[in-house]
Amino acid sequence: DAGVTQSPTHLIKTRGQQVTLRCSPKSGHDTVSWYQQALGQGPQFIFQYYEEEERQRGNFPDRFSGHQFPNYSSELNVNALLLGDSALYLCASSLWTVQETQYFGPGTRLLVL
Amino acid sequence: GESVGLHLPTLSVQEGDNSIINCAYSNSASDYFIWYKQESGKGPQFIIDIRSNMDKRQGQRVTVLLNKTVKHLSLQIAATQPGDSAVYFCAEIGSGGGADGLTFGKGTHLIIQP
Repeated sequence: DAGVTQSPTHLIKTRGQQVTLRCSPKSGHDTVSWYQQALGQGPQFIFQYYEEEERQRGNFPDRFSGHQFPNYSSELNVNALLLGDSALYLCASSLWTVQETQYFGPGTRLLVL
Repeated sequence: GESVGLHLPTLSVQEGDNSIINCAYSNSASDYFIWYKQESGKGPQFIIDIRSNMDKRQGQRVTVLLNKTVKHLSLQIAATQPGDSAVYFCAEIGSGGGADGLTFGKGTHLIIQP
């Protein structure tokens, strides 16, 4: 039973570029949430996807967008990258009916230069 | 205690001793609390949870205590082992369920001394 997987593991971009991060949820899960974790901080909720729609959103600008596919996998897109977007991006999966129990992937480390 | 900026609170304990990690939360409507362990280079890993209608819950070597009066949560780890070294986060979910995402605290870095 595969857990949550994310790709790539590391990524280096320059300011102004765009990035796409990918997540495959734990087998059987239908809901994907994305979090940003800055160095030395706790994760911050970006948004959540269920049935291919964004259901909830945290306090992040429109530069952050996402998508969920019919197989429940998800992408996080960030446009016009800023230095402050450098962080660990975590994907968590759950069941829509049991959202409290979220399983996290290993994250993608993004460095913006 | 809480930290500011990049500096995580650090708790250093001797191997075999008990550890107590504390967390203050701000949302009195929070209904569900979770402790996560995050090792270097990995995502947060679920340790134990507790609902707001309870004040104590025990797992294997871990106990979570909830004091709603002062909005305080603690994680007790018995007989700490080297593998317990990690950053520990408390997280909360409001009464609306997980739809608004987990709200994490700033974390405590637990260091186990041999």
